Amino acid sequence: QSALTQPPSASGSPGQSVTISCTGTSSDVGGYNYVSWYQQHPGKAPKLMIYEVTRRPSGVPDRFSGSKSGNTASLTVSGLQAEDEADYYCSSYGGRNNLVFGGGTKLTVL
Amino acid sequence: EVQLVESGGGLVQPGGSLRISCAASGFTLSNHWMHWVRQAPGKGLVYVSRSSTDGSDTNYADPVKGRFTISRDNAENTLYLQMNSLRVEDTAVYYCARGISGSRDAFDIWGQGTMVTVSS
Repeated sequence: QSALTQPPSASGSPGQSVTISCTGTSSDVGGYNYVSWYQQHPGKAPKLMIYEVTRRPSGVPDRFSGSKSGNTASLTVSGLQAEDEADYYCSSYGGRNNLVFGGGTKLTVL
Repeated sequence: EVQLVESGGGLVQPGGSLRISCAASGFTLSNHWMHWVRQAPGKGLVYVSRSSTDGSDTNYADPVKGRFTISRDNAENTLYLQMNSLRVEDTAVYYCARGISGSRDAFDIWGQGTMVTVSS
């Protein structure tokens, strides 16, 4: 199963909003509401930010939100802060016990 | 504190074997599906394997199928990954991750990772 497609980079100034896309197919993103987003700082383990497309785990700021339209999921970070600078990965269940990740997006806070 | 701590990584020659472990604390391991995810140096996350709560149901990504075996000892709160016939392309940081109960393949707790290097 092919990896989900994410833009390699995204950027925004402090206080602005930025949206990162994650494009799959009808067999994964479009077929299931099991899309997750992870934040990873350099040298650290990933951290769950969004699951089941829109749900936020306890402790994740409400500046982070998720959505989905067709085969594309999106992560929006509002009110950008310096500590949001990190790599972001999406993942989606793909049926038949398959789980696929995106290639990652490096978010830069200008 | 809820945490996962991996161990057992290291340098191994191509064709060799290695078993890595993931010790869980602060929660009941038997209540959660558990997973292994790997990340090659400078690359993205790649799914490796999952285990049901009691270990009776296991799945593997195609690149490791037939070579890797996931297992767990709920009494010892430990998850394992036995890796055989290792290849250079298996070189990566291996993370264990806890699945959210009631959801599908969303990982709310991750270990710090253990590095596995396959090289001659």
